[in-house]
Amino acid sequence: KQEVTQIPAALSVPEGENLVLNCSFTDSAIYNLQWFRQDPGKGLTSLLLIQSSQREQTSGRLNASLDKSSGRSTLYIAASQPGDSATYLCAVRRTGNQFYFGTGTSLTVIP
Amino acid sequence: EPEVTQTPSHQVTQMGQEVILRCVPISNHLYFYWYRQILGQKVEFLVSFYNNEISEKSEIFDDQFSVERPDGSNFTLKIRSTKLEDSAMYFCASSEDRGRSPLHFGNGTRLTVT
Repeated sequence: KQEVTQIPAALSVPEGENLVLNCSFTDSAIYNLQWFRQDPGKGLTSLLLIQSSQREQTSGRLNASLDKSSGRSTLYIAASQPGDSATYLCAVRRTGNQFYFGTGTSLTVIP
Repeated sequence: EPEVTQTPSHQVTQMGQEVILRCVPISNHLYFYWYRQILGQKVEFLVSFYNNEISEKSEIFDDQFSVERPDGSNFTLKIRSTKLEDSAMYFCASSEDRGRSPLHFGNGTRLTVT
């Protein structure tokens, strides 16, 4: 079974700082990996999807990388803003239909 | 931007009652999913649905659960006889295809079983 771990569980940074969120998974035979943002009491917003053949994906201030062989992905957020405060989840898909989620990193950006 | 919509946003029910959670996936999407998140825990896969049948389900999705696409737009999750441990946030999701495109989630239905 695929286990997904996210470190740190919580992170607090001052506005403007660049930061990295980490995701690791136990089974490297993945199909793709998706990063989500979850605001309190809300659904999951898709941020970036990386296919297993890709090394990274970028969208605006966000950059996600994937190292399949070592079972790791990082989400880099540049020039953080208070509006980035949320829980960030990574989810890994193997050959089936289901995604396996991590427990998330709760990010607080202090103005 | 097209969205996945879920109703109701919050449902309170008594143990043993049946509940139906409703979802309208994005219109051109072909794959539909239900996930749930118990408070403080990970988001967990329940079931995937394609071409009017279940394509995959987890151990959680036992005989108490069923899914249906009753018409061209709605996708429902039914829990026949709710238990206290069914209390969770239930998320519907959809995707254009099986793997290459991202999963899009609705805002969820918070189910409280008393």
